[in-house]
Amino acid sequence: DIQMTQSPPSLSASVGDRVTITCRASQGISNDLAWYQQRPGKVPTVLIYGASTLQSGVPSRFSGSGSGTDFTLTISSLQPEDVATYYCQKYDSAPWTFGQGTKVEIK
Amino acid sequence: QVHLVESGGGVVQPGGSLRLSCAASGFTFSSYGFHWVRQAPGKGLDWVALVSNDGSQKFYGDSVKGRFTISRDNSKNTLFLQMDSLTSEDTAVYYCAKVSWPSKSARSFLDYWGQGTLVTVSS
Repeated sequence: DIQMTQSPPSLSASVGDRVTITCRASQGISNDLAWYQQRPGKVPTVLIYGASTLQSGVPSRFSGSGSGTDFTLTISSLQPEDVATYYCQKYDSAPWTFGQGTKVEIK
Repeated sequence: QVHLVESGGGVVQPGGSLRLSCAASGFTFSSYGFHWVRQAPGKGLDWVALVSNDGSQKFYGDSVKGRFTISRDNSKNTLFLQMDSLTSEDTAVYYCAKVSWPSKSARSFLDYWGQGTLVTVSS
């Protein structure tokens, strides 16, 4: 099975900072990758799919890039409401594995 | 609007069984595949199972294969997860989630999630 490895496990940044989270697949998955945000105590919601397509209603400060095995989620200017755990997920085929998550906090 | 409501969670003893349901509304249920995803307390997301829109294809994560069964009733707009031989490792919030593209369960991300139902396996 393909493994999904996220880094870092957690980060702390200041409001307005640029934040980057990476996700690496152990084998190529084309661009069949989604990013989800889970705010504390809330249900996950999709931010990005197809590695780089912003889901409707998601603020433009979020962006995604990558293809094959290496992917990146970027928050261009961190806001207080972005405090959350972020997960990548492969959806090319079974199993639909999630990364371990990256917890983002405000410094 | 899409609405997914899970039910059936609760406390069950190790070795016991539980059946979760997910009632769907606001879209053509029979056109979309569904996942179950779980989250143990304080842990990350763990993919459990997928059923295709017509119920003909089912996939399971290794940790639940042979113990859990995913199914659906398209006449009642309801998704199910039958969980048998439960262990403490199955303690988690269980979410149902809809795939994004109709009639295309693979290569579809999860666009809507329910609020989840808590399953606690404890003696």
